Amino acid sequence: QVQLQESGPGLVNASETLSLMCTVSGFSISRGHYWGWIRQTPGKRLEWIGSDHYIGPTSYNPSLKSRVSISVDTSSNQFSLKLFSVTAADTAVYYCVRDTLQGWARDYWGQGILVTVSS
Amino acid sequence: QSALTQPPSASGSPGQSVTISCTGTSGDIGAYDAVSWYQQHPGKAPKLLISEVTKRPSGVPSRFSASRSGNTAFLTVSGLQTEDEADYYCSSYAGNFNLLFGGGTRVTVL
Repeated sequence: QVQLQESGPGLVNASETLSLMCTVSGFSISRGHYWGWIRQTPGKRLEWIGSDHYIGPTSYNPSLKSRVSISVDTSSNQFSLKLFSVTAADTAVYYCVRDTLQGWARDYWGQGILVTVSS
Repeated sequence: QSALTQPPSASGSPGQSVTISCTGTSGDIGAYDAVSWYQQHPGKAPKLLISEVTKRPSGVPSRFSASRSGNTAFLTVSGLQTEDEADYYCSSYAGNFNLLFGGGTRVTVL
């Protein structure tokens, strides 16, 4: 059974960098699929952040592209998210997800981690 | 790019059907076979219900079905059950390696 688990600080200061890790179990990242991040704002709006593949290109939401970095580490079977220069608007529940092989869907989700940006 | 448009709420009695719409444009829903639907219960992560416009992943009950007409996608829940009370979100690929979500629809079982 594929499982994803987010980890990282729940509180980040404004203007600093939000860093999260997702640990994957039950499936090897090197077998394929894109792996990425989606966030949900306090108003319940979902926003795709981006996805990475261990040998493919990384893709990012155009609205966040200048501030985000996602990378996959096959040796640890983990992937990470870095969001730079955060503001209060980045306060959200962050989910790590596995993309389906086709159709741009997300078939496995972590439980989510609330990250609050403090000003 | 703007989010996809969903009605904020929908409701039905047990056993009835409810249909949720998701309106996009010719650049997203109307252009790609990459529409998905998710169910989210309070405090839980979203769960994939439908991918590639109409495909149900293994384990999703057959009373969940989906379709598309032009730039609008639809999710139908037939034979409503109390556990179907949740938030439902649509999403669509929008080209240029971008993904859009709808604002969500709260389904209430009366």
